[in-house]
Amino acid sequence: DIQLTQSPSTLSASVGDRVTITCRASQSISNWLAWYQQKPGKAPKLLMFEASTLESGVPVRFNGSGSGTKFTLTISSLQPDDLATYYCQQYNSDSRTFGQGTKVEIK
Amino acid sequence: QVHLQQWGAGLLKPSETLSLTCAVYGGSFSGHYWSWIRQPPGKRLEWIGEISHSGSSNYSPSLESRVTLSVDTSKNQFSLKLSSVTAADTAVYYCARQRGAAIFDYWGQGTLVTVSS
Repeated sequence: DIQLTQSPSTLSASVGDRVTITCRASQSISNWLAWYQQKPGKAPKLLMFEASTLESGVPVRFNGSGSGTKFTLTISSLQPDDLATYYCQQYNSDSRTFGQGTKVEIK
Repeated sequence: QVHLQQWGAGLLKPSETLSLTCAVYGGSFSGHYWSWIRQPPGKRLEWIGEISHSGSSNYSPSLESRVTLSVDTSKNQFSLKLSSVTAADTAVYYCARQRGAAIFDYWGQGTLVTVSS
């Protein structure tokens, strides 16, 4: 299986801050990467796919980039509603895998 | 609008079989693959497997020997069976719609399944 490692595991930032989450793959996955937001007690919500394509209805403050083995999700101006855990997911191989998650806290 | 509604037993004993069903409302049932994903408490999401409307399936290698997916196109439903459960199978189980290669764009509400003697 392709392993995904996210960093950091937790981050604390203030409203308005720029926040960056990194996802590294154990082998090249081209741009076959998605990002999800999961709020406590809820199902994940798709934010981004093909590494940098914003899902319809997702605020433009979310931005994705990267290819190969290194990817980033950036929130340009953190909002209180962004309190959540963020997961990357690869779909390059037949067996889909997820990162371990990055919990975003608001200072 | 697409909506996934799932149900099934929430408490099992070790060695029993987990059984969950997911009903799909809205959208095209035949135009997508349908997946099951689980999340053990405090852990990462784990993909279990996928099935098409025609019954073509693909499973996670780590669970393949215990998983069976099925589909009922007359009801727009798909189901998961996981045999010989242990405490390690305790998790919130989600059903989800796949779009494109394997992007999960619609999810069920989740079902907490606890395995305990």
